[in-house]
Amino acid sequence: GQQLNQSPQSMFIQEGEDVSMNCTSSSIFNTWLWYKQDPGEGPVLLIALYKAGELTSNGRLTAQFGITRKDSFLNISASIPSDVGIYFCAGRSNFGNEKLTFGTGTRL
Amino acid sequence: GAVVSQHPSWVICKSGTSVKIECRSLDFQATTMFWYRQFPKQSLMLMATSNEGSKATYEQGVEKDKFLINHASLTLSTLTVTSAHPEDSSFYICSASTGTGLYNEQFFGPGTRLTVL
Repeated sequence: GQQLNQSPQSMFIQEGEDVSMNCTSSSIFNTWLWYKQDPGEGPVLLIALYKAGELTSNGRLTAQFGITRKDSFLNISASIPSDVGIYFCAGRSNFGNEKLTFGTGTRL
Repeated sequence: GAVVSQHPSWVICKSGTSVKIECRSLDFQATTMFWYRQFPKQSLMLMATSNEGSKATYEQGVEKDKFLINHASLTLSTLTVTSAHPEDSSFYICSASTGTGLYNEQFFGPGTRLTVL
């Protein structure tokens, strides 16, 4: 199945550093979502983006919906140890079609 | 609210046997449930979409006769892996949504780790 390209694949950072990751697609999506998955658990929604150009924050997390609708980025500011995990972007292409396409993941 | 549970959380079975995994929405009614498979260090891949009372829609490459999905009620969907083989060993995750619409969210279960010996 289709996957979204996510980068970086993995990263090691010091506590307190800012983190940035992005997701790109060859297709247009109408909704972009960012999830965090801890080992052995299901993904948990962090931020949802519904409009091209939208910039949304959730605490130390900030995400943007690219204006081309083909990309999105997630920033984490002042990282802390509990930020460790795998971050996935996901796109939803059609209104009324709930299928999600997941990115390849960024291991932090 | 919006809690999704899965049972069992892990299962080990012998090759050739069948395994049933349950997905329940505990505090909401889920018109649609999704089943994903995740191999180690890989992303979630959608296997099928299941609507209450109707047949599941399988993604390309997923064998519907091997992965039987039943969505008999608005709070329960089951995935049965028939004649399991070692290559079916994976982390199976379900999600549930309340319907369609721009702001509709999928709520994910904690996953079931299947190991086939």
